[in-house]
Amino acid sequence: SQQGEEDPQALSIQEGENATMNCSYKTSINNLQWYRQNSGRGLVHLILIRSNEREKHSGRLRVTLDTSKKSSSLLITASRAADTASYFCATSRGNTPLVFGKGTRLSVIA
Amino acid sequence: DAGITQSPRHKVTETGTPVTLRCHQTENHRYMYWYRQDPGHGLRLIHYSYGVKDTDKGEVSDGYSVSRSKTEDFLLTLESATSSQTSVYFCAISRDRQAYTEAFFGQGTRLTVV
Repeated sequence: SQQGEEDPQALSIQEGENATMNCSYKTSINNLQWYRQNSGRGLVHLILIRSNEREKHSGRLRVTLDTSKKSSSLLITASRAADTASYFCATSRGNTPLVFGKGTRLSVIA
Repeated sequence: DAGITQSPRHKVTETGTPVTLRCHQTENHRYMYWYRQDPGHGLRLIHYSYGVKDTDKGEVSDGYSVSRSKTEDFLLTLESATSSQTSVYFCAISRDRQAYTEAFFGQGTRLTVV
């Protein structure tokens, strides 16, 4: 069963706008990771945030984690057409492998 | 791509036939994983390996077996393929347990069972 659930399922924005995707999960976690998948390709790791961290940045990406609400958000600032992809959150609990959500499909329109 | 090669990249097979997918890595990572990706389900873990000859089941392991006789190779076998196993299969590797580090994914194998 899925641990993380992304919201929204699909998002369409104009180039230059910010995109925010959310992930909710059900149980305590060790870490939460975000991945990107371009059409027809494998997943690419974006950011790992540990359960004792609240915010991390990587370039135009900002990830927050609220363990009290069991939720995370991924913000992509100043989006580009090349950001068009599906974005997945994945959680790890104990020593178990990552469990992925169903993803958010982001379309950035030039 | 982090030194992961999946083969074949595409395969069409008939119901009831055995199928083996191969994942080969050049990173010397200890952990290897097989996921399947289906519309509406995201990625689901089939089996994973935490060392040579050490494997464990994932969420959707029924109908699949795996083997890892060398660090660099992780094989996924469908003993008798069924139409419900039509999917895109991804191999992933990680240096340490995924609780502590990121995973790197292969390009995927699109399997169609007719």
